[in-house]
Amino acid sequence: GAGVSQSPSNKVTEKGKDVELRCDPISGHTALYWYRQSLGQGLEFLIYFQGNSAPDKSGLPSDRFSAERTGGSVSTLTIQRTQQEDSAVYLCASSLAQFIPHTFGSGTRLTVV
Amino acid sequence: EDKVVQSPLSLVVHEGDTVTLNCSYEVTNFRSLLWYKQEKKAPTFLFMLTSSGIEKKSGRLSSILDKKELFSILNITATQTGDSAVYLCAVSDSNYQLIWGAGTKLIIKP
Repeated sequence: GAGVSQSPSNKVTEKGKDVELRCDPISGHTALYWYRQSLGQGLEFLIYFQGNSAPDKSGLPSDRFSAERTGGSVSTLTIQRTQQEDSAVYLCASSLAQFIPHTFGSGTRLTVV
Repeated sequence: EDKVVQSPLSLVVHEGDTVTLNCSYEVTNFRSLLWYKQEKKAPTFLFMLTSSGIEKKSGRLSSILDKKELFSILNITATQTGDSAVYLCAVSDSNYQLIWGAGTKLIIKP
């Protein structure tokens, strides 16, 4: 596609439910990143995929968070048993390779009530 | 611990003014410094700086990096209301990770 596409754009969920956030990167971009941005804060790194290499999961805040990238393209971030502190905007970005500036999607605003 | 600090946290100016936004960093294995503009959700890329003293310019925006003093500035001249946004600074290390500042919220009053 022309840009990085994320869905849904907004998600309200009840505490304790699982949620899945989707990211469709720019075609041909081998690098894919997930970030979390809480209100008024900078971006917090969550996970990085590069081609067929094992992902860097060092930023995932707990074992309730997981992500996968199928076929080197679409990625899904899953949050299990959501908590109120998970409320944030989740941003996905892709790039042609490492060290190239990211192109960001419009994000998913997650609200846990 | 690696960190990126932006200042001021927020700034309100009038249209036509010139603003300077600051970004200082302490990052081992520095590779590059990037500036992004975030108006709603998606940050959009402005500049990537890797060498000291070389100004990058795009229209009314310009940026420069000082690797000795570990900071960068982003200048916006003749500001317009469309420049209102959060400006984010990030530093890339040799492991491809970006360390982000908290951003400067810029409001341009007509």
